[in-house]
This record gives sequence, C-alpha cells and structure tokens, in this order.
Amino acid sequence: SAVISQKPSRDICQRGTSLTIQCQVDSQVTMMFWYRQQPGQSLTLIATANQGSEATYESGFVIDKFPISRPNLTFSTLTVSNLSPEDSSIYLCSSRRGRYNEQFFGPGTRLTVL
Amino acid sequence: GESVGLHLPTLSVQEGDNSIINCAYSNSASDYFIWYKQESGKGPQFIIDIRSNMDKRQGQRVTVLLNKTVKHLSLQIAATQPGDSAVYFCAETPTSGTYKYIFGTGTRLKVLA
Repeated sequence: SAVISQKPSRDICQRGTSLTIQCQVDSQVTMMFWYRQQPGQSLTLIATANQGSEATYESGFVIDKFPISRPNLTFSTLTVSNLSPEDSSIYLCSSRRGRYNEQFFGPGTRLTVL
Repeated sequence: GESVGLHLPTLSVQEGDNSIINCAYSNSASDYFIWYKQESGKGPQFIIDIRSNMDKRQGQRVTVLLNKTVKHLSLQIAATQPGDSAVYFCAETPTSGTYKYIFGTGTRLKVLA
C-alpha cells in the first residue's frame, strides 16, 4: 500500500482566509486525488491532479475556490480559498497503486472555519 | 470527538458475533469494488477488493460478496472485535475510462462488549 501524509492534520481558520493543505506520497504516482468529507457524510471527489497538467475538477468545484498544485510525482497541495463555515470538512488526499489501481488515502486534514 | 459518521446508519454487533454490512451500487459499468474502513480521526483504510468476474473473495476475517444481478455488495466480518468499530464505506469504479471512484454513504459499526 502507499504511504500518504498530509499537513496540517487539523486547523481552525477565520472566515475569508485560505488554507493550503500539503500531501506527500512515499513514491511516484501519476494520479493524485483530493476529496472532501463533510460531517456525517461520505467522500466527494473535488479534483484529480496529474503532474504536468492542470487539475480536473468535478461538478460543483472550481479552480478559483480550490486551486491545486502538482509540482512533481510525489507531492500536491490543495488550497481552500475565501473560507466560510460551509467549508468546514475533512479534506483527504489519495493516490492509486497496484494491479487494479487500488486507491489509498492520507489521514485527512480537519478544517474548522469560524 | 470526530463528527464523521454521526448521521450514518449504524450496525451494533456483540463482540464475537459476525457482522454483515451491505451496500447497493449504482453504476452498471463498475467492475471493481473496494471496501474501506475509516476509524475516528483517520483516513479510509483499504480492507478488501473484488473484481466483477468474481462473486466472492475472502481475506483475513473478512469476506466480500458481489451480486451483480441486483447491484449489491456486502462485507462480512467474522468474530467481530472491538477494533472493528469504525465507519465502513464501499466504493465502485469502472477499470476503464476515468477510473473514477464512487463512494457509498457508509455504515457505522459498533461492537458491543
């Protein structure tokens, strides 16, 4: 399985500010993914980040709100911009590896917006 | 405490009993299915997977059953232990095209001592 780390593990932010979340994978991967998990709910894909190209965003998510960087094959960042209380969620990074592209997740970043 | 899973369906099982967690999937094109376990404060952890050319796969204390006719997936945990307490998610994906995963709503498993 892949080892994925995220920083920070949690943060409390003020309305209108931004938070950048870092994701590090222990080996090179082509695809990295960012998910949001709102309280009491399942995982929702925000975007897919491939190295060397712009991220592909899912319906309901836009680059201005969730800019993503993917500078190399082991690292990605997700920024949640212009924060509002509705952005309070767990944000999860993931990548795929293995014969059937099994997906592995980082520990998540718990964001609380006041 | 963590708020993940507060509003999810809950299955309460006595320690030592078997647990069965069910999932209905939606995409007929999905041919790869995974069960994840998410403990409080952690990311989802891969448990077991199954391809659509199988209807049963066994791991250590876990078995996944796939019924493609009714688009139903189940996870069976034998001799449930306190450490099995978590939220369990199924995920489906086609292995061609976008490889996009679709996650189920999740079930909270509570193991009673």
